[in-house]
Amino acid sequence: DAGVIQSPRHEVTEMGQEVTLRCKPISGHDYLFWYRQTMMRGLELLIYFNNNVPIDDSGMPEDRFSAKMPNASFSTLKIQPSEPRDSAVYFCASSLRHRGINYGYTFGSGTRLTVV
Amino acid sequence: DQQVKQNSPSLSVQEGRISILNCDYTNSMFDYFLWYKKYPAEGPTFLISISSIKDKNEDGRFTVFLNKSAKHLSLHIVPSQPGDSAVYFCAASDNQGGKLIFGQGTELSVKP
Repeated sequence: DAGVIQSPRHEVTEMGQEVTLRCKPISGHDYLFWYRQTMMRGLELLIYFNNNVPIDDSGMPEDRFSAKMPNASFSTLKIQPSEPRDSAVYFCASSLRHRGINYGYTFGSGTRLTVV
Repeated sequence: DQQVKQNSPSLSVQEGRISILNCDYTNSMFDYFLWYKKYPAEGPTFLISISSIKDKNEDGRFTVFLNKSAKHLSLHIVPSQPGDSAVYFCAASDNQGGKLIFGQGTELSVKP
């Protein structure tokens, strides 16, 4: 398996533009997570899905952020409109839950977003 | 509210010596703890974990200790090697909802 695949690796955009980050989880994994890495808060959980259904989006900072998972092999995180303070590295991760334990929690390489 | 805290943003250790990274948590429902290692421009990778029914887990040079009464865990690396230089994240889960809550990370630098 190629692991969790994120695209793009780098994104530079102007303030006010829409940004879409993409993630392909590991095949067979039933959980998908979006994290944001910042200096102050480390790896901050934004939202996660179970079997394509959003379970907890309490970490999404504002209404400008939205995430979807239309099928088991694809998820998007969208920021509209983007602001300079959204600049960070965004990670996607996936895992498989079996008998109450999450296994194989694997991260993608991240998308470094810069909003100017 | 930060449920998992790593209060040391950085740590510098001499090669061959022991590295000790610390982590504190506030949620008593956490029952599974993990350490992840992250190199620049890469995603975090799993290093070692421990269940709340144990107080120690060892894997080669890496040992994680859990003190439930103090809500504290630590990662020991001995002997430290220059290749261990990375950011280390502590994470916790209650295994009810499946999510991991991470700390802020500690950047370890092992000097030759």
